[in-house]
Amino acid sequence: NAGVTQTPKFQVLKTGQSMTLQCAQDMNHEYMSWYRQDPGMGLRLIHYSVGAGITDQGEVPNGYNVSRSTTEDFPLRLLSAAPSQTSVYFCASRKAGNTEAFFGQGTRLTVV
Amino acid sequence: EDKVVQSPLSLVVHEGDTVTLNCSYEVTNFRSLLWYKQEKKAPTFLFMLTSSGIEKKSGRLSSILDKKELFSILNITATQTGDSAVYLCGLFGNEKLTFGTGTRLTIIP
Repeated sequence: NAGVTQTPKFQVLKTGQSMTLQCAQDMNHEYMSWYRQDPGMGLRLIHYSVGAGITDQGEVPNGYNVSRSTTEDFPLRLLSAAPSQTSVYFCASRKAGNTEAFFGQGTRLTVV
Repeated sequence: EDKVVQSPLSLVVHEGDTVTLNCSYEVTNFRSLLWYKQEKKAPTFLFMLTSSGIEKKSGRLSSILDKKELFSILNITATQTGDSAVYLCGLFGNEKLTFGTGTRLTIIP
């Protein structure tokens, strides 16, 4: 079972570059979310989606875009990377209703 | 806005001790409260709580929810070095899953 798959695992970007973090799940989950984790800050919600074609902003959305064209995929785009976006990014998915969330293994992003 | 506050931020105890981790919350549309354990990588699920006063238990770990006072606790008895981790409390409400800052637990052999 693949579960939630994130790619890449590691990435180094230069300030101003753009890139897309990929997230895919094979569990037919309606809900998908992106979080960033910084030291001492827990998991902060960036964007989330309750189904294909529907996305909404979380706590820290600035500098990030998302789209949800299929149930399986929820890519996170950094339009112009900044050093403040250096972080570990986690994608999570869960079934609709009161269910647990499943996490990907994370992407460690460094912006220099 | 939904809010989750965990305490303490960090805790260092000796192997065999019992610990209690706290999670208080504010939400306008409560659905459930979840506990996760995070070691090196992705958080792993421990418990989901939806009703007050009903203890969830798994081995040496247990958790309970108080919806009147808006808090939950996670207890770990007879701690082991493998319990060293960050413990995250998550609140599911208003279609979002919001987490606290976590409690970093360190167990000294």
